[in-house]
Amino acid sequence: KQEVTQIPAALSVPEGENLVLNCSFTDSAIYNLQWFRQDPGKGLTSLLLIQSSQREQTSGRLNASLDKSSGRSTLYIAASQPGDSATYLCAVLNQAGTALIFGKGTTLSVSS
Amino acid sequence: SAVISQKPSRDICQRGTSLTIQCQVDSQVTMMFWYRQQPGQSLTLIATANQGSEATYESGFVIDKFPISRPNLTFSTLTVSNMSPEDSSIYLCSARSGSDYNEQFFGPGTRLTVL
Repeated sequence: KQEVTQIPAALSVPEGENLVLNCSFTDSAIYNLQWFRQDPGKGLTSLLLIQSSQREQTSGRLNASLDKSSGRSTLYIAASQPGDSATYLCAVLNQAGTALIFGKGTTLSVSS
Repeated sequence: SAVISQKPSRDICQRGTSLTIQCQVDSQVTMMFWYRQQPGQSLTLIATANQGSEATYESGFVIDKFPISRPNLTFSTLTVSNMSPEDSSIYLCSARSGSDYNEQFFGPGTRLTVL
């Protein structure tokens, strides 16, 4: 059974710092991996989608990498801003399943 | 990308009653899903809503408690039946179109409180 783990569970940084969020998964037979952002009491916003054949994707200050063989992904946020404060969720789509399986998330707080 | 709307956005219900949540997608999609997010927790898949047939439920979720309909390629409903306080959660509708390599999108969620 696929399990997705995110470390750390919470992270506090000062504005301007670069940071890395980690995601690991136990079954490497995946179609893709998605990173989401969730603001308190809100739904999910898709940030980046990485296909199983890709190594990384970039969008603005965000860069996500994927190492499928080792079951790891990282989300790099450059020059963090207070508006980046949210919970970041990693999810994988198994080849054996039909829907995304989520980690528990990393709650990020960026102070000004 | 797909834009997903849900109704209601929130509700407060009495124990023993039922609530139906509606999900509308702005384009035809292949797959629709319902997730639950309990307070302080991540998302758990309830079921895959299949067009024109019975939904496929994950372990721990049953049709009598969470009946689902999907009459067409853009609309689905989830009913939370005979509610108890333990059903207090955010319920999220999600959709994916085309192949399994495509992006999955989420609605804004329905925040349910059961008293």
